[in-house]
Amino acid sequence: DAKTTQPNSMESNEEEPVHLPCNHSTISGTDYIHWYRQLPSQGPEYVIHGLTSNVNNRMASLAIAEDRKSSTLILHRATLRDAAVYYCIVKGDNAGNMLTFGGGTRLMVKP
Amino acid sequence: NAGVTQTPKFRVLKTGQSMTLLCAQDMNHEYMYWYRQDPGMGLRLIHYSVGEGTTAKGEVPDGYNVSRLKKQNFLLGLESAAPSQTSVYFCASSSLRSRYTFGSGTRLTVV
Repeated sequence: DAKTTQPNSMESNEEEPVHLPCNHSTISGTDYIHWYRQLPSQGPEYVIHGLTSNVNNRMASLAIAEDRKSSTLILHRATLRDAAVYYCIVKGDNAGNMLTFGGGTRLMVKP
Repeated sequence: NAGVTQTPKFRVLKTGQSMTLLCAQDMNHEYMYWYRQDPGMGLRLIHYSVGEGTTAKGEVPDGYNVSRLKKQNFLLGLESAAPSQTSVYFCASSSLRSRYTFGSGTRLTVV
């Protein structure tokens, strides 16, 4: 699976949009981009995933660069509950269907 | 809608003691995983299973054993606990190419 690079931490104001970047320059054509987040003292939870096209769901939007070497997770209006560590994971079709976690980005939301 | 349930939630062990962590899922998922998370770090894969009766090593398998006798259960064993195994343990399950569902974690301290 391709390696990802994320900033260690980011800060946002409540009710403002947040753009969380992720670089994955060695991504392969069939690799999916997954985002999970981990709230304090909880297990990770799924946020969104995509292959080539931008994706939207209730939680967030995923914008994927045309060359797929980077992506951005967009939270449209940050709330205090969105304070968490966000993990960007590039996943290929491995035999164990495994996810490999990096260090993620710690998002702090200020009231 | 229980999802993934981990037992126990907290445990303190003395060095050299043994214990088993239980993970149960009710989503009929084929794949199950055990991760550990040390303070301030991302998750690291210990062992995983691609189906009932199968197990495989992940990134950090030493000192742990696993069993998957029933599809819904994945057990993680520590035969002789060491202080280096103090960590938070997360179990997860998924179907092929689907999102992971994580449990709420087991906080283990080895003294």
